[in-house]
Amino acid sequence: DTGVSQDPRHKITKRGQNVTFRCDPISEHNRLYWYRQTLGQGPEFLTYFQNEAQLEKSRLLSDRFSAERPKGSFSTLEIQRTEQGDSAMYLCASSARRGSLEAFFGQGTRLTVV
Amino acid sequence: DAKTTQPTSMDCAEGRAANLPCNHSTISGNEYVYWYRQIHSQGPQYIIHGLKNNETNEMASLIITEDRKSSTLILPHATLRDTAVYYCIVRGPVNYGGSQGNLIFGKGTKLSVKP
Repeated sequence: DTGVSQDPRHKITKRGQNVTFRCDPISEHNRLYWYRQTLGQGPEFLTYFQNEAQLEKSRLLSDRFSAERPKGSFSTLEIQRTEQGDSAMYLCASSARRGSLEAFFGQGTRLTVV
Repeated sequence: DAKTTQPTSMDCAEGRAANLPCNHSTISGNEYVYWYRQIHSQGPQYIIHGLKNNETNEMASLIITEDRKSSTLILPHATLRDTAVYYCIVRGPVNYGGSQGNLIFGKGTKLSVKP
């Protein structure tokens, strides 16, 4: 296993288009997180899954954002009707240890909305 | 969750120890101190965490003061590859107080290791 994998690494889209990102966590990890990071800032939490259940969503996750983890393995993050303000790095992380915040992050997907 | 305060930036000479401070004066009894780092254009990387006792692993050492109001991350022999933004995070254990384990990142300390 090579760690958390995200696809694509880069995405350029026109304003108003929909985009979908994929995250493949480390195989035995049941916890999966999505974060967003803008330039010069630390990552900001978006949402969290334990297995297939989405247990927490940040206020940052507007109605245009939706995340799924249908079989408790990979996850997708979709942004509908993209806006320029959605331009950011989208990071996925997974963890396994109960009670621990030792999370493993992917390389991220950099979204640019033009 | 307790807030943390870190210097915006620090420099360190290659081969010397890098000591990165973090203040967390409002930390509560069961909150842990976590350190992550983020090298340019990569995702954050877990370094180390601790509760009360000092901790050491292959990457770094974590020194927590007795009153737990501050801590220091030590990279014993910094290399150019240690140039990164270092984040100090204080959080309770997952499922404590409703926490689902999401990390709350500040702006961190940008460490520049110079030859």
